[in-house]
Amino acid sequence: DQQVKQNSPSLSVQEGRISILNCDYTNSMFDYFLWYKKYPAEGPTFLISISSIKDKNEDGRFTVFLNKSAKHLSLHIVPSQPGDSAVYFCAATYTGYALNFGKGTSLLVTP
Amino acid sequence: GAVVSQHPSRVICKSGTSVKIECRSLDFQATTMFWYRQFPKQSLMLMATSNEGSKATYEQGVEKDKFLINHASLTLSTLTVTSAHPEDSSFYICSASASWSSGKETQYFGPGTRLLVL
Repeated sequence: DQQVKQNSPSLSVQEGRISILNCDYTNSMFDYFLWYKKYPAEGPTFLISISSIKDKNEDGRFTVFLNKSAKHLSLHIVPSQPGDSAVYFCAATYTGYALNFGKGTSLLVTP
Repeated sequence: GAVVSQHPSRVICKSGTSVKIECRSLDFQATTMFWYRQFPKQSLMLMATSNEGSKATYEQGVEKDKFLINHASLTLSTLTVTSAHPEDSSFYICSASASWSSGKETQYFGPGTRLLVL
């Protein structure tokens, strides 16, 4: 049963514009959410996280928004750069448990 | 900080042989390490949770006698694929859990190991 869903398998954005990647979850016990970026044949790289006590967390060009009532989070990348082209995984967890991953969204940033 | 390494990065082996993959946390101690597998175009799937000094906890459907996990120290966990078959060909990724002074845990992933069984 997929508890973390990324319904858009792919997204194409022009360089300089905003990329918005979405993620939905079903388990109300999740209290910590993370985004990972993955290049082909490499392990995922941690990008940014957010605790359930917050609704926004910023780190440079990356901002994660959490809407607990809707069980929805999103990752905003602005401005998008070609080097951001990768697969982005949303993950959720609660204390002591492994991460539950979405299936990923492949982002392509075009010049 | 928080670097996790995996060795080897890729391995090709014959069917029926065993392959060992090492996962190390280089600059922090990890009481818990996780092993994942990723098939093409699919999400990362958790195989097992490895706790230092105790037996690993395997997810449903993962054969513990086939995928042997040893977590002998706070910085090293190994996954041994025994009697590998072509269907075991996959991308294996480990992660190590780090607890910070903020009280939150974050998982850091290794670079992955590409296994090809001929």
